[in-house]
This record gives sequence, C-alpha cells and structure tokens, in this order.
Amino acid sequence: QVQLQESGPGLVKPSQTLSLTCAVSGGSVSSGNYHWSWIRQSPGEGLEWIGYIYSSGNTYYNPSLKSRVTISVDTSKNQFSLNLRSVTAADTAVYYCARRVTGEYYFDYWGQGTLVTVSS
Amino acid sequence: QSALTQPASVSGSPGQSITISCKGTSSDIGDYNYVSWYQQHPGEAPKLMIYDVTKRPSGVSDRFSGSKSGNTASLTISGLQPEDEADYFCSSYSSINTYVFGTGTKVTVL
Repeated sequence: QVQLQESGPGLVKPSQTLSLTCAVSGGSVSSGNYHWSWIRQSPGEGLEWIGYIYSSGNTYYNPSLKSRVTISVDTSKNQFSLNLRSVTAADTAVYYCARRVTGEYYFDYWGQGTLVTVSS
Repeated sequence: QSALTQPASVSGSPGQSITISCKGTSSDIGDYNYVSWYQQHPGEAPKLMIYDVTKRPSGVSDRFSGSKSGNTASLTISGLQPEDEADYFCSSYSSINTYVFGTGTKVTVL
C-alpha cells in the first residue's frame, strides 16, 4: 500500500523559505511510472496545485507560483521536497503531497497534509 | 489560471440524488476529458472518487457518477447516505502540464 507523509516546520516567518518533505513508502520516487506532486489548501479555501516532479528531474509548476517554487527529489531517501521562497501570510495553508500516475491525469494517493503558518 | 467554479453548498435528504457542478473554461474542462473529483472529510486527505470525467476507481461506490457538457463537469451522488457528507472538489488538467482545482462544495445530508 502506497503511503505519503509530509513533514516540516509548522511555522515560518514572512520573507523566509518554506521547506517541506514528503516521504514515500510502498513505491519508488525513481520509478518512471509516477509524478510526485505538491498541492495546498488555504484556510477555508479550495485546493491549489503547486507543481510536480518526474523521476527524470523534470518539473512543472503553477505559473502563479513558478518564480518562488522549487520541487526536488532525493532517490536515496525515497522522498521529494518543496521549497517556497519569500513567503507571506497568503502562503499559510495545509500542504499535501500526492502521486500522479504517468500518463494519467488525476492524483490517486495523498498524504495527510501538514499545516504551515506564516507569521512573525 | 483561475479556479474552477463550484457551488459553495449542496444539500439533500438520505436516499435523494444531488448534483454538484464544476464550471471551467475552454482551456481546461472544455478542452480535455481529464476531470477528476475528490471527497474530503474534515481533517482527512482528499480521496479520489471519479477520474477521466466518468470513471470510478476500484472501491468507490457506483452511487457516484460523473459527466461533462461543454465547459462544465458534474458529479452526481445517488441514494445519498450520511457518510457522503463531506467537501467535494473537482479538478481538471489544463494546458501545458498544469492542473486547476475547483472552489469546493460542502455536501450536507439533512
């Protein structure tokens, strides 16, 4: 059974970098069969796709966040990461990692999510 | 890239059918048959309910069905049950390897 688990600081100061990691079990991040994604949900709002990374290292980002986002993968630890730079209060959200099967267009497994608050 | 538009809330009595709409544009829903729907109970991760507009993953009740017309997709829940009370989000593939989600609909079972 595939499991994804997010981890990282729950509180980040404005203008700093938000960094999260998603540990994957029951599957390999180096497999060409999957894309590994980040999605967030601001309080009381809908979901927002942030971006994803393929095993080759190719990345695809939401145009509205592209200038501040980096997604990377660590095959040795079977995990992938999100860095979001220059954060503001508007970046306060529950951050989810999720899996997309290559060639498909939906997210079939999700982590439980982690709340990140941007505040001084 | 704007969010897809969903009604904020939909309600129904047990056993009834309800339909949730998801309005997009010709750049997402209207251009691709890659609409998916997710159910989210409070404090839980979203769960895939429908993909490719009409397909159900293994294990999802056949009371859930999806459809699309033009730039609008719909999710219908038949025989509404108390456990269906949750938030529902639509999503669509959009141009150049991007995705857009809906604003979310709270389903209440009366």
